[in-house]
Amino acid sequence: TQLLEQSPQFLSIQEGENLTVYCNSSSVFSSLQWYRQEPGEGPVLLVTVVTGGEVKKLKRLTFQFGDARKDSSLHITAAQPGDTGLYLCAGAVRYGGATNKLIFGTGTLLAVQP
Amino acid sequence: DSGVTQTPKHLITATGQRVTLRCSPRSGDLSVYWYQQSLDQGLQFLIQYYNGEERAKGNILERFSAQQFPDLHSELNLSSLELGDSALYFCASRAGAADTGELFFGEGSRLTVL
Repeated sequence: TQLLEQSPQFLSIQEGENLTVYCNSSSVFSSLQWYRQEPGEGPVLLVTVVTGGEVKKLKRLTFQFGDARKDSSLHITAAQPGDTGLYLCAGAVRYGGATNKLIFGTGTLLAVQP
Repeated sequence: DSGVTQTPKHLITATGQRVTLRCSPRSGDLSVYWYQQSLDQGLQFLIQYYNGEERAKGNILERFSAQQFPDLHSELNLSSLELGDSALYFCASRAGAADTGELFFGEGSRLTVL
């Protein structure tokens, strides 16, 4: 069973601080996505990374895919209260043929205090 | 609004009962995914359908079954319900089965088993 561990599990910070969330696995993923989920809603895609070593930036968010495609990180610069939510990484694993099974990480709950 | 519709939003039932959760994917999306989200287990992949056929299976119990109909809507049937089945059940859709495109989630169906 593929397992995606995220750390930290919980993070409470002040507005303006920087933070990094990690997503680790012993499995190799063909691609990896990051989602954010707010209370009462489903997860919403932030980014997809597909190449080992790839770095993508989305405003104050920087995503990196590990060289071996087993891990990823999400760095937020100058966090704002609007960044509050549950951050989930999700790795695509070949299931058979051309099908990918999307496995979600354990999640990091971020609270940014004003 | 993700375009994915799930009904019912909330459901309270007793142990031993059977319920059906319904999902209408985004217009044109052929893939439907079901996930279970609970506090202790995180977001667990249950099953995926593509254009009416089962494509991938995850941690789905034998008491649970699903299908995707010709009009592409999907139903998740949960039977012989146990207290531990209480969770948020998400449906998500994606255009294809093998791509790494965005997974669009519905708002979920919250099941409470008493």
